[in-house]
Amino acid sequence: TQLLEQSPQFLSIQEGENLTVYCNSSSVFSSLQWYRQEPGEGPVLLVTVVTGGEVKKLKRLTFQFGDARKDSSLHITAAQPGDTGLYLCAGRTTDSWGKLQFGAGTQVVVTP
Amino acid sequence: NAGVMQNPRHLVRRRGQEARLRCSPMKGHSHVYWYRQLPEEGLKFMVYLQKENIIDESGMPKERFSAEFPKEGPSILRIQQVVRGDSAAYFCASSPLGIVNEQYFGPGTRLTVT
Repeated sequence: TQLLEQSPQFLSIQEGENLTVYCNSSSVFSSLQWYRQEPGEGPVLLVTVVTGGEVKKLKRLTFQFGDARKDSSLHITAAQPGDTGLYLCAGRTTDSWGKLQFGAGTQVVVTP
Repeated sequence: NAGVMQNPRHLVRRRGQEARLRCSPMKGHSHVYWYRQLPEEGLKFMVYLQKENIIDESGMPKERFSAEFPKEGPSILRIQQVVRGDSAAYFCASSPLGIVNEQYFGPGTRLTVT
């Protein structure tokens, strides 16, 4: 059983459409990161959120941390083929010093 | 500014051999983490090290696996007497001192046990 549940598992959209990926848990996290992973490569850090209710924007990507610090979402506006990849959320629980708990990931495919 | 470096990128071992995976953290980073990604599974934490200290090894299998981060040189993840179930991608991450939130990952080592 994953501590962090990501949904959907797979998302296929056309270029220009919007999408949202969700990351949910019953546990409280002191911080949460979003990564993107390409095949055969390591995860690349996109953003870190720390404060409940926090919203961060990175160009067309908007990240939100839930008020209770148990959930997060990633929204992509006007998706492009270059956004294709595996999106992973990872959190550090309040009783963990360094360990990150990862979700299973959401595979996003953006077709031209 | 070089990122986290791992070598080798690909490693093939026969059952019963030893596998040594190396990780050089980003410059200025003193915390190292190892994760394993099994086929069709997510990333799982294995161990967290600082220089010459193991901080959290709660994700390490009890037998055959060990990790170190010496005062000089890279961090090493060692797997003795490998079995087919050890075939996976092993990722190393590093973070700077005092900022344990943000972990930066290397490209991984793909271990195949034949």
